[in-house]
Amino acid sequence: EVQLLESGGNLVQSGGSLRLSCAASGFTFNSYAMSWVRQAPGKGLEWVSAISAIGGTIDYADSVKGRFTISRDNSKNMLYLQMNSLRAEDTAVYFCAKARTVTIGGYSMDVWGHGTTVTISS
Amino acid sequence: DIQMTQSPSTLSASVGDRVTITCRASQSISIWLAWYQQKPGKAPKLLIYKASSLESGVPSRFSGSGSGTEFTLTISSLQPDDFATYYCQKYNRYPYTFGQGTKLEIK
Repeated sequence: EVQLLESGGNLVQSGGSLRLSCAASGFTFNSYAMSWVRQAPGKGLEWVSAISAIGGTIDYADSVKGRFTISRDNSKNMLYLQMNSLRAEDTAVYFCAKARTVTIGGYSMDVWGHGTTVTISS
Repeated sequence: DIQMTQSPSTLSASVGDRVTITCRASQSISIWLAWYQQKPGKAPKLLIYKASSLESGVPSRFSGSGSGTEFTLTISSLQPDDFATYYCQKYNRYPYTFGQGTKLEIK
């Protein structure tokens, strides 16, 4: 069964740091691009960051650029999101999601984790 | 960056109704659009990719159409399980922006 399992969410003070992890199983992890998507309480979905299958292409939403770093360890089937200089507006449930296809280029997301909750206190 | 705008924000309908949700892009995105369904406390679920391709396992009452800047998601006959929030997302290039969502409520 294809599965993604996020962890690492916590309550952190404003200005602090946190690292989220996403454990992948049931598919050839190193063939697929991956993304992080977040959802603030009562709000819609916001794409945060993405990384290509072998990590050569990375991008971020403007709202997190310079503060968040996405990475992956294909030997461990793990995706990460290092979050620094956290702000109250980063409070959200963070989902990791898998690209639907292995083709280079844009992708929809066919498998999602259950999410991990990040709360930033001021 | 390209903006994605969904309408309506809220839609009240009854079981058996045919409903349509619209998503507009501020610039052309060709067919690089997906639709997701999300229920409270759950992860989003992919329904439609490449504007009109039905994801495996998704009921055929869901359909998508459009290209360029205007897209629609249609549910041909609403079922009780369909009451949820729906999001469009563009993925022609980063950032993969979502629409603000359409909440489908029971009338």
